[in-house]
This record gives sequence, structure tokens and C-alpha cells, in this order.
Amino acid sequence: KNQVEQSPQSLIILEGKNCTLQCNYTVSPFSNLRWYKQDTGRGPVSLTIMTFSENTKSNGRYTATLDADTKQSSLHITASQLSDSASYICVVSRSGGSYIPTFGRGTSLIVHP
Amino acid sequence: NAGVMQNPRHLVRRRGQEARLRCSPMKGHSHVYWYRQLPEEGLKFMVYLQKENIIDESGMPKERFSAEFPKEGPSILRIQQVVRGDSAAYFCASSPGYGTDTQYFGPGTRLTVL
Repeated sequence: KNQVEQSPQSLIILEGKNCTLQCNYTVSPFSNLRWYKQDTGRGPVSLTIMTFSENTKSNGRYTATLDADTKQSSLHITASQLSDSASYICVVSRSGGSYIPTFGRGTSLIVHP
Repeated sequence: NAGVMQNPRHLVRRRGQEARLRCSPMKGHSHVYWYRQLPEEGLKFMVYLQKENIIDESGMPKERFSAEFPKEGPSILRIQQVVRGDSAAYFCASSPGYGTDTQYFGPGTRLTVL
């Protein structure tokens, strides 16, 4: 079964600290993996996208890694800010056909001052 | 270049009524996706459309739900005879192509069924 599991479910950190969010998937055949940020009451916004051949991608203070062999990805946030408080969603798409994505449940991050 | 637009943002319906959710993709995007998000759960794919065609509706309930993306105008997600379990946030996303193309999400429509 195609699944995407994220951990932790929720995370509280102090402003300025770093954190790492995890994503494990069983989606096959693999096409690409995306990380999205979803603020409360809003639609998700894409942070990074990685295909099979890419193992790291950065977007400002966000750095995503991908290990296609172990089917794991991580999202590292450096020097967190209050505005980083949001849900971070890992999304994996299958290749072939319509590339239908499978969404993880997300990690809820709260950054405290 | 306006982003993906959805309306209404909030919709309240009584059980048995119909709900129509509209989505205008970004300019130049011909691929539209609809997702449903239940409280405390992840987004679930419902349907993928291109202009005038349903490409994949594997995530859509077989009854009461339908979607279209006409040649002119917005994409419409229609829910007939709504039930309380239909209460959720419905998000639309668009992309210029498919595959690795990034999907851009709208703000969502929050449907409440009384």
C-alpha cells in the first residue's frame, strides 16, 4: 500500500533553534517528493521538490534531503522564526499515469519566542 | 499573475442540499486537482482534471460527488445531497503540466454541513 508517514506528529521549539522533520514512504514506483508548508487556514505552499536523482535541495533556511534507497526524507529548518509555525507536509508522487500524490498527515511545528 | 482562486471561502449547507465549490486555476495552468482535508487529517486526493477531461477520479466517492473543468470558466466540484461527513476543507491546486510540475494550492473552501 502506498503510504507516507511523518514524525514527529507535533514539535515545539524555541525561536532561533534548529529542527528536523522526518518522512518515510512506501510509495512505488517513485517519481518525486515534495515538502509543503501549510499555515493555519490556508492552502499548502511548496517548499522543495526532489526527484530520484537528487538527495538534497535547499530553499532559504529550509533544507530537504532524500534517500531513495531507504525511502526516507527529512526537512531541516535552520534558525527558526515565529513565522515557521505551521504544518509541514511530505508528499510523494508515483510515476506512470497521472502522478497522483500521497500526502503525509503533516508535522505541526510551533515556534515559541 | 493571480494565484489559484477558490470561492466561496466558507459554505454552510443543511443536510440534503447541494454544494458547489469553484476553482479558478493560475493563468496558463491547464491541470486542476481537488483535495479534501478532514480535521486533524492529511489532504486526500479526489480528482485530477484537464480542460474538459477527467484524467483520474480514483479518490472521489462514487456517489453524490462530481467534478468538471469546462473549456471556459472555473473548475467545479459538486456535492449533491450533502451529509455531515462531507464537512471538511476542500482545496484546489493547479499546475502548468503534470509529473514533477509544482502544484499551486488555493486557499480552500470550508464546507460545514448542519
